[in-house]
Amino acid sequence: SSELTQDPAVSVALGQTVRITCQGDSLRSYYASWYQQKPGQAPVLVIYGKNNRPSGIPDRFSGSSSGNTASLTITGAQAEDEADYYCNSRDSSGNQHVVFGGGTKLTVL
Amino acid sequence: QVQLQESGPGLVKPSQTLSLTCTVSGGSISSGSYYWSWIRQPAGKGLEWIGRIYTSGSTNYNPSLKSRVTISVDTSKNQFSLKLSSVTAADTAVYYCARGVDIVATITPDYYYMDVWGKGTTVTVSS
Repeated sequence: SSELTQDPAVSVALGQTVRITCQGDSLRSYYASWYQQKPGQAPVLVIYGKNNRPSGIPDRFSGSSSGNTASLTITGAQAEDEADYYCNSRDSSGNQHVVFGGGTKLTVL
Repeated sequence: QVQLQESGPGLVKPSQTLSLTCTVSGGSISSGSYYWSWIRQPAGKGLEWIGRIYTSGSTNYNPSLKSRVTISVDTSKNQFSLKLSSVTAADTAVYYCARGVDIVATITPDYYYMDVWGKGTTVTVSS
């Protein structure tokens, strides 16, 4: 399958921990990467590989994977973390395609 | 650091061909092992991968768009381009270019990520 499924919306209280998930058959073969997108801005890579953060991404962002599910965890969510989050991976069919999840809108309460 | 900038017409008529260019600055488009990608996002909707071109010139396209898409690279100008033919209103979107890295691991799973993105350019298909 070339689909990645995300919950449309998730909310978290300020300072609490939230997990955003991404499901798909391709995640049994590939790690997901995660992108944060704020309104009117381009996506920004926040997690890639097993659990790697690009320079400048706070360490409250972490990634994990189990079976066909990848997770992005924000430990101690801040107001500035309110954004849309997208997962992304290669397609596992072997045809070199790339797929995105539908995105999760994170609201920080 | 590497930066990407999309450019092209903001308005395209139905049935015509949408043409966009992504200019790479701060580094050579032909150095390193990178995939140069196009992604789009209709207003209020999610990201859709359009396709990518490798440093060698090989391409991969989204199956849903493959019959209409061509991605090419011009190393002399440090640019890569997108052409999308026979456009309709459904092709109205913000179009992003991005640099991708494909990691083929020996033990752990492989992974792909896009670490540098352009700011995006809005293309409207309308007569």
